[in-house]
Amino acid sequence: EVQLVESGGGLVQPGASLRLSCSASGFTFSTYIMHWVRQAPGKGLEYVSGIRGNGDRTYYADSVKGKFSISRDNSKNTVYLQMTSLRPEDTAIYYCVKDRATTVYYFDYWGQGTLVTVSS
Amino acid sequence: QSVLTQPPSVSGAPGQRVTISCTGSSSNIGSHSHVHWYQQFPGTTPKVIIYGNTNRPSGVPDRFSGSKSGSSASLSITGLQSEDEADYYCQSYDSSLTAVVLGGGTKLTVL
Repeated sequence: EVQLVESGGGLVQPGASLRLSCSASGFTFSTYIMHWVRQAPGKGLEYVSGIRGNGDRTYYADSVKGKFSISRDNSKNTVYLQMTSLRPEDTAIYYCVKDRATTVYYFDYWGQGTLVTVSS
Repeated sequence: QSVLTQPPSVSGAPGQRVTISCTGSSSNIGSHSHVHWYQQFPGTTPKVIIYGNTNRPSGVPDRFSGSKSGSSASLSITGLQSEDEADYYCQSYDSSLTAVVLGGGTKLTVL
């Protein structure tokens, strides 16, 4: 059974940094692209970032380019999202999401999400 | 402002057919990128209901169908049921942005 468990969310002040983690199990982690998708309270889904199975290629939404950095450790079946210069508009539930394929295709499994709140 | 444009809301009576549009551009839907559709109920995570423009995962009723033409795609739901009331999102890949792009979401209300 595929499981994605996010951690690392919390309440931070504007300008702070935070690192999210997503621990995966139930599939061959190193094969698949992993993504982060966020959803602000009461709002729609917003793509954040993705990373290929071997980490050789990353994808970022324009809204987070230069602020967020995605990485993965295939030995730990974990993907990370390093977030810097956080702003109130970054407040959202951050979902770890598995891609169906080895190239960008569609999202087939979602974690339950971790809430990031940016507020003074 | 989402790269893919969806109507904020649609509605229909039980048994009717509704269609949700998703309009993109030549760098995403119009560039042969596939379109996928997700259904999200309040308080839950999204679930894919159409992938690769027209394909339904197992377990998704055949009342749901997808189509694509040019730079636009559509999700159709026939025989509308109260349990279909949810938010729906389209997704594709943008070759210029080199990133996944999502629609802003459409809230379906069953009258």
